[in-house]
Amino acid sequence: EPEVTQTPSHQVTQMGQEVILRCVPISNHLYFYWYRQILGQKVEFLVSFYNNEISEKSEIFDDQFSVERPDGSNFTLKIRSTKLEDSAMYFCASSDRVPPSDTQYFGPGTRLTVL
Amino acid sequence: AQSVAQPEDQVNVAEGNPLTVKCTYSVSGNPYLFWYVQYPNRGLQFLLKYITGDNLVKGSYGFEAEFNKSQTSFHLKKPSALVSDSALYFCAVRDRNNFNKFYFGSGTKLNVKP
Repeated sequence: EPEVTQTPSHQVTQMGQEVILRCVPISNHLYFYWYRQILGQKVEFLVSFYNNEISEKSEIFDDQFSVERPDGSNFTLKIRSTKLEDSAMYFCASSDRVPPSDTQYFGPGTRLTVL
Repeated sequence: AQSVAQPEDQVNVAEGNPLTVKCTYSVSGNPYLFWYVQYPNRGLQFLLKYITGDNLVKGSYGFEAEFNKSQTSFHLKKPSALVSDSALYFCAVRDRNNFNKFYFGSGTKLNVKP
């Protein structure tokens, strides 16, 4: 069964550094999402992406964040200057149908630790 | 405002017994409702969803959920729990006006004891 994959599984970085989290969505999917889960808290929506542009973003997704689909397979989340509070598990998701009745398939996540 | 509530942080059940994980929601209009499961160090795995039609939805691994509009609930159930069902369960909702977002509940940890 096709899966969403994410790399790296764990990223440790110093505060103020840039990080890029990578995702490979399921190959025929067209809608892409990033979520984050701070330890012990809810999963929170960050951004949705379709047709090479952001469809919607949450208030969390400020100017420090950006997303890109640099080629036909990867979907990346960049955090320009990391803060301590960016430490979280970041999940990528993809779906093949128009929201809202689609099913989003999630990757295993990247644990980001900002020191 | 859209929200999802999972009133129990933890549910304990003996293997072979039925289990229920509760979820209530608050959205404008008709909701789209989902259940996901998260195993340790893994991502969220889709279990089932309610879009329209029959209020009883059957999903993966023998789980089912019943949409109850009057009680605004979407409780997850399984007739006979397995130890391997032990995991974190998340209810999520989308509404028709803001469909790009999932609103997740806080999660319920299910412990199934042998």
